[in-house]
Amino acid sequence: DADVTQTPRNRITKTGKRIMLECSQTKGHDRMYWYRQDPGLGLRLIYYSFDVKDINKGEISDGYSVSRQAQAKFSLSLESAIPNQTALYFCATSPGIRYGTSGRSTDTQYFGPGTRLTVL
Amino acid sequence: LAKTTQPISMDSYEGQEVNITCSHNNIATNDYITWYQQFPSQGPRFIIQGYKTKVTNEVASLFIPADRKSSTLSLPRVSLSDTAVYYCLVGDEGRGNLIFGKGTKLSVKP
Repeated sequence: DADVTQTPRNRITKTGKRIMLECSQTKGHDRMYWYRQDPGLGLRLIYYSFDVKDINKGEISDGYSVSRQAQAKFSLSLESAIPNQTALYFCATSPGIRYGTSGRSTDTQYFGPGTRLTVL
Repeated sequence: LAKTTQPISMDSYEGQEVNITCSHNNIATNDYITWYQQFPSQGPRFIIQGYKTKVTNEVASLFIPADRKSSTLSLPRVSLSDTAVYYCLVGDEGRGNLIFGKGTKLSVKP
């Protein structure tokens, strides 16, 4: 989705280096997410943010940190990269809770194009 | 957290209907069931979402039985461009803890 952009798209780095992946969105959504994808393992949630002041750990947050600089920007940092952090990283956004006709809450995530990170 | 189980892979031919079933035995009362599609080197794309019974949109149908312990994504008359990985998710998105799982890799052959 062109409304969600990620930079860089590809990055090769060395063990021990600090890396920042950036995500920007023009959808006006409050919620933003970071996932990583490894071959055969699907997507796993790293961190998510419901607004600028609300940041939460996901399934696999160890070794990562995030910063929500503004509603439109959510950055993921690897303070000291290691080879097993080699993966495809996706940012996603969602508008937040909406109530359908059933009365149940629902939300939909929109994904960026991904960043392929290789740690040597 | 609710977990899902779906087949690792499926094969089909162009023009056929494809049904992918996902089991989610521990689904909670407030959980929705959502399906995403992912092409290689792209982010997942929302296909369809439902809570119970049947939901249909322009690309797929979603069948959910009364006990909600499983759901079936139905793709009518697939084409080569439907070759992708399909993910079934359950969760209360209000908590932001959706679990994607490994997905089903659908291969459509001519």
